[in-house]
Amino acid sequence: GAGVSQSPSNKVTEKGKDVELRCDPISGHTALYWYRQRLGQGLEFLIYFQGNSAPDKSGLPSDRFSAERTGESVSTLTIQRTQQEDSAVYLCASSSQGSMNTEAFFGQGTRLTVV
Amino acid sequence: DQQVKQNSPSLSVQEGRISILNCDYTNSMFDYFLWYKKYPAEGPTFLISISSIKDKNEDGRFTVFLNKSAKHLSLHIVPSQPGDSAVYFCAASARASGTYKYIFGTGTRLKVLA
Repeated sequence: GAGVSQSPSNKVTEKGKDVELRCDPISGHTALYWYRQRLGQGLEFLIYFQGNSAPDKSGLPSDRFSAERTGESVSTLTIQRTQQEDSAVYLCASSSQGSMNTEAFFGQGTRLTVV
Repeated sequence: DQQVKQNSPSLSVQEGRISILNCDYTNSMFDYFLWYKKYPAEGPTFLISISSIKDKNEDGRFTVFLNKSAKHLSLHIVPSQPGDSAVYFCAASARASGTYKYIFGTGTRLKVLA
């Protein structure tokens, strides 16, 4: 497809379990972002991959959160030992850098519910 | 520390009238600003952007104004339509610093009344 694809679209997990969320960015986009939106809140920055540079992990809320990206393709966000406060919609976005007017294109998100 | 602030969580406007959504920022390094619209159960979609070298950018019914000295931007929608009802997020980045990381505000829910 032409857009950012995220899977799964919904995930219900038990507290304490690990989860993996996947993002397929738009082909050719060098930048990839992960955000989360908790109920009634804004978009919270988590991590940002920019080409081959070291990722900006400054938004990751704890060491239970990690993300990887293989080259300029798929990214995986992993949450270990999930807690109820991790329940949120996790949004991935990608953008093409190097041009003047780039914006980030978002996927539909993964709704994570920790029970 | 909220670097991008949208102080109005909600706004209601009559159809056909102007909607004005406001956004303030604190980081003087921000030089590129965007507005996104989000419908329920969908990802945010890009609406309009503005570089800090401009003070206005217009696209159809949507105009973004930037006041750098006040660290304030606003989105004007005129005329407002019921389909504009959504949550609007402003975002900022500091491109001159070499990053395309976007910091988002908390959003304003716009309701356009028919």
